[in-house]
Amino acid sequence: DGGITQSPKYLFRKEGQNVTLSCEQNLNHDAMYWYRQDPGQGLRLIYYSQIVNDFQKGDIAEGYSVSREKKESFPLTVTSAQKNPTAFYLCASSTMTGQYEQYFGPGTRLTVT
Amino acid sequence: QQQVKQSPQSLIVQKGGISIINCAYENTAFDYFPWYQQFPGKGPALLIAIRPDVSEKKEGRFTISFNKSAKQFSLHIMDSQPGDSATYFCAASRDSGNTPLVFGKGTRLSVIA
Repeated sequence: DGGITQSPKYLFRKEGQNVTLSCEQNLNHDAMYWYRQDPGQGLRLIYYSQIVNDFQKGDIAEGYSVSREKKESFPLTVTSAQKNPTAFYLCASSTMTGQYEQYFGPGTRLTVT
Repeated sequence: QQQVKQSPQSLIVQKGGISIINCAYENTAFDYFPWYQQFPGKGPALLIAIRPDVSEKKEGRFTISFNKSAKQFSLHIMDSQPGDSATYFCAASRDSGNTPLVFGKGTRLSVIA
C-alpha cells in the first residue's frame, strides 16, 4: 500500500520542549516537503528537500529544523524557538519539484500548551 | 508578497449549482496550475491541473479556465453536490525552476441541500 505516512496524528507538548514529527514515503519520490496549515492561512512551506542530505528553507523556516538522511524519510523538528507552534503539519512528496503532483500525508495536529 | 491570490475565502452554493473559485498570479514564469481538494482532517489531494497551452480543461464536473493575458485561472464545479464540500487550493509553479508549488490561501466551499 503506497503512500505517505505521518505519525502521530495528534501530538501534545509543553511549551519549551522540542518535538519531532515523522514523515515516511514509499513512493520512491525524490522531493519531500513540510507545510504548516493555520485557519485562513493556506499552506505555508517550511522546508523542502530535493535529494538526500540536502534541503532548502521555505517561507517560514524559523524555529524548525529538518534532516534527510534517507530518501524515504523527512522528519521535522519543531524547536522551542518556534513562537507559535500549535498548528496542523502536512508532509508531501513528489517525483521532483515543480510541475509534478504532490502527494500529501494525513497530517499531524500539534498542540503546544 | 503573496504570489497567488485566491478568492473568495468561503463560498456557499446550493446543491446543483455552479461553484466558482478564482485565482490570480503575479509571476509570468508560472506555467503549471493545479487545484487541490482538502477534506477536514485530511491532507490535500490533486483535483485537476492545467498548463497555459490550453485555455480550458475539463474532468467530469470540474473545469479549469485559464486566462494567460489576465494572469488568472479559475475552478468551476458544475452540479455541485454536498460531497464537494471541502477546502480548495489553487497553486502555481514554474516550468524548469525546480521550485516548489506556491499555494493560494484556500476557499472553503459548502454545498447545501
